[in-house]
Amino acid sequence: DAGVIQSPRHEVTEMGQEVTLRCKPISGHDYLFWYRQTMMRGLELLIYFNNNVPIDDSGMPEDRFSAKMPNASFSTLKIQPSEPRDSAVYFCASSRSGAADTQYFGPGTRLTVL
Amino acid sequence: GESVGLHLPTLSVQEGDNSIINCAYSNSASDYFIWYKQESGKGPQFIIDIRSNMDKRQGQRVTVLLNKTVKHLSLQIAATQPGDSAVYFCAEILMDTGRRALTFGSGTRLQVQP
Repeated sequence: DAGVIQSPRHEVTEMGQEVTLRCKPISGHDYLFWYRQTMMRGLELLIYFNNNVPIDDSGMPEDRFSAKMPNASFSTLKIQPSEPRDSAVYFCASSRSGAADTQYFGPGTRLTVL
Repeated sequence: GESVGLHLPTLSVQEGDNSIINCAYSNSASDYFIWYKQESGKGPQFIIDIRSNMDKRQGQRVTVLLNKTVKHLSLQIAATQPGDSAVYFCAEILMDTGRRALTFGSGTRLQVQP
């Protein structure tokens, strides 16, 4: 199993530009989660999907952030326009359905907005 | 809370000693808990989990203890090795609500001295 795959691993962009982060969950996993990690705020849940449907997006900071899951094997997190305060490591995680299944994390995308 | 940052509580142990990492969780109704390990530049990795109907669970070299009275979790690592150096997070979830989002603690950095 390849695990959760994220791309790109590193992204450097300028303020105002659009940024798209990509995630491929583990095959057969019904849940997909997007997290953001910063030194100041730790690991924060942004949004999660069940069977490609967004369930809880209360963690999405503002309208500049959007996430989609067009099919079971792909999700995107988009920031438009990006700002320096969006600089963080963004993790995607997936889990199987069930009572309490482990979330498996991808390697993360380190985003730097200049 | 903070995660992989300068202000993380740090536990420094000698190689071969046992380590105990503590975590105070926030929601007395949480019924499932997970310990994650995060090495530098990587995503969090599952170590061990425990349900609220248990007070102890053992894995390979690791033991998790749960004290619901004081909302406290601990992770014990036996015969700590240099490869155990990482940031350790506890996470909690309230399964009864059907919400699948994990709430992460702020993390503890474990440094293993050779």
